[in-house]
Amino acid sequence: NAGVTQTPKFQVLKTGQSMTLQCAQDMNHNSMYWYRQDPGMGLRLIYYSASEGTTDKGEVPNGYNVSRLNKREFSLRLESAAPSQTSVYFCASRFLAGVTDTQYFGPGTRLTVL
Amino acid sequence: AQKVTQAQTEISVVEKEDVTLDCVYETRDTTYYLFWYKQPPSGELVFLIRRNSFDEQNEISGRYSWNFQKSTSSFNFTITASQVVDSAVYFCALSEAMIQGGSEKLVFGKGTKLTVNP
Repeated sequence: NAGVTQTPKFQVLKTGQSMTLQCAQDMNHNSMYWYRQDPGMGLRLIYYSASEGTTDKGEVPNGYNVSRLNKREFSLRLESAAPSQTSVYFCASRFLAGVTDTQYFGPGTRLTVL
Repeated sequence: AQKVTQAQTEISVVEKEDVTLDCVYETRDTTYYLFWYKQPPSGELVFLIRRNSFDEQNEISGRYSWNFQKSTSSFNFTITASQVVDSAVYFCALSEAMIQGGSEKLVFGKGTKLTVNP
């Protein structure tokens, strides 16, 4: 049981390049999330997926796309990276049913866009 | 719209002192969840607690305690007898209650950086 895994851990891109951040969870959780963390800003929700096959925008979706490929995987794509997207990206999963609420975050991906 | 405010950006204490981290939230929902997370210097985010809006009982877990007051829309976190290992950034978060097939967005505060000095 690996929890939530993210790849890569670090990435440097040039402006205009594209890339996909991968996230997978092996806990059979329904909901998955992508956040970005910037100094002094806390975590801001980019996109989330309440269940397989559904995705919704969060607070800061511009410049990103997501895919909930199956229940395990939720990827985040930057089509044309910009320096403003330099950040630490966290994926999270959550299981919520009645009084049960368990959630885990991945280790994060540190992205630098030059 | 939901909002979480952590007014304390940074707090510094000496080991063994008690410290309280403040969290004030705004929501129009009548049912919601409140959370605290810890982010140590290593960077991972650790889930500490969830509190339902209809349960105002205070909770204690070892040296950690949480005080939830709906009347003041606050969910404060106290560490008793702080230790150096408590040094981290602590985030408060708010989530609306899940409706079947509905959203489960988490809104985070900007965090409070706690430094516990030996």
